[in-house]
Amino acid sequence: QLQLQESGPGLVKASETLSLTCTVSGGSISTSDYYWVWIRQPPGKGLAWIGSFYYSGTTYYTPSLQSRVTVSVNKSNNQFSLILRSVTAADTAVYYCATGVQRFMAFDYWGPGTLVTVSS
Amino acid sequence: QSALTQPASVSGSPGQSITISCTGTSSDVGSYTFVSWYQQHPGKAPKLMTYEDTKRPSGVSNRFSGSKSGHTASLTISGLQAEDEADYYCCSYAGSSSWVFGGGTKLTVL
Repeated sequence: QLQLQESGPGLVKASETLSLTCTVSGGSISTSDYYWVWIRQPPGKGLAWIGSFYYSGTTYYTPSLQSRVTVSVNKSNNQFSLILRSVTAADTAVYYCATGVQRFMAFDYWGPGTLVTVSS
Repeated sequence: QSALTQPASVSGSPGQSITISCTGTSSDVGSYTFVSWYQQHPGKAPKLMTYEDTKRPSGVSNRFSGSKSGHTASLTISGLQAEDEADYYCCSYAGSSSWVFGGGTKLTVL
């Protein structure tokens, strides 16, 4: 069974770059069966898909963040990462990494989430 | 991409059934058989409850069932239990390898 764990700074200054890593255990990130995604949840608000990485190397991002976000994979460490540039207070959220079987288009496995606060 | 529309809250008594609706558009819910539902308890990560509109993952109680008609998907919980009290989110594939979530519904078990 796959397990995911987010890691990274819990506090980022406004205008700087948010960087998070998701470590995958219980399976290989180098599989064509799964996609690897980042989802965030501002305090007291709903979930929002940020972006996805596929085995083929293709990435997809939500339009509102496309110009500021990068999702990448480190196969040797079985990790994938999120980079969000030029952050503002609106980027304060719990950030989740998740994965799912491609043919089902859902998110079966989630990390516990990590709160990132953007300070001014 | 606009968020799917869910009621802010629903409630029911133990043993009763409740249904949470999720309304989208022809670009998401109405175009794909890929609506999923998630349960989230406070301070916890979401948990997949149903997928592909109506399917249930192994280990999820058969009290949870998904359905869809046109642009509206629904999650029905039968035989309400105290532990069902949580936030519920719908999510739809929206094409071009993107997803859109609903705003969430808070379920209160009276």
